[in-house]
Amino acid sequence: DADVTQTPRNRITKTGKRIMLECSQTKGHDRMYWYRQDPGLGLRLIYYSFDVKDINKGEISDGYSVSRQAQAKFSLSLESAIPNQTALYFCATGRGGTDTQYFGPGTRLTVL
Amino acid sequence: KNQVEQSPQSLIILEGKNCTLQCNYTVSPFSNLRWYKQDTGRGPVSLTIMTFSENTKSNGRYTATLDADTKQSSLHITASQLSDSASYICVVSANTGGFKTIFGAGTRLFVKA
Repeated sequence: DADVTQTPRNRITKTGKRIMLECSQTKGHDRMYWYRQDPGLGLRLIYYSFDVKDINKGEISDGYSVSRQAQAKFSLSLESAIPNQTALYFCATGRGGTDTQYFGPGTRLTVL
Repeated sequence: KNQVEQSPQSLIILEGKNCTLQCNYTVSPFSNLRWYKQDTGRGPVSLTIMTFSENTKSNGRYTATLDADTKQSSLHITASQLSDSASYICVVSANTGGFKTIFGAGTRLFVKA
């Protein structure tokens, strides 16, 4: 089984809809991250969490919210989706120190 | 402004040939630099990590170099294989009180038979 899983893998939705992307991990890492990837751009950090009670905004948090339900679960919500949120979304986990990150397979989100 | 720039944007080579990918960064204060490989439709996977004191790090046919003075890194791929076709992403972390990691846009490598 994969160490970092994301659901759904693909989602098409309409403008204004609420969307939740879920991430689960079995690596036992405290740190979890949400990124989005757009063509021609590097991954950009949306939110990150260093433990269950710690939530921090990344560089592009506007229009997104997160919930860290447990050490193993970190969900990303789009309260009212808009077309420019169409992107590939990645969840990642990591430890402290050098903090190599382990990425999930990604969720391809299309907002019409 | 903290930035990570990679070149070339894309590269096509023949199977068996070597290639070198470049990464220039302005992230400061520097903590570490990582290279990731991202296959199409998958999440990135770490290849190497280097801290300030390390000049080179190898992982099989992949060798990364770091010049912290000029703020440059390279990833050299030896005897390329078709499975090396992927995007290669340079990631630089800053040694700040918070979390600061900047991803480059990647180099898309195509290895042809």
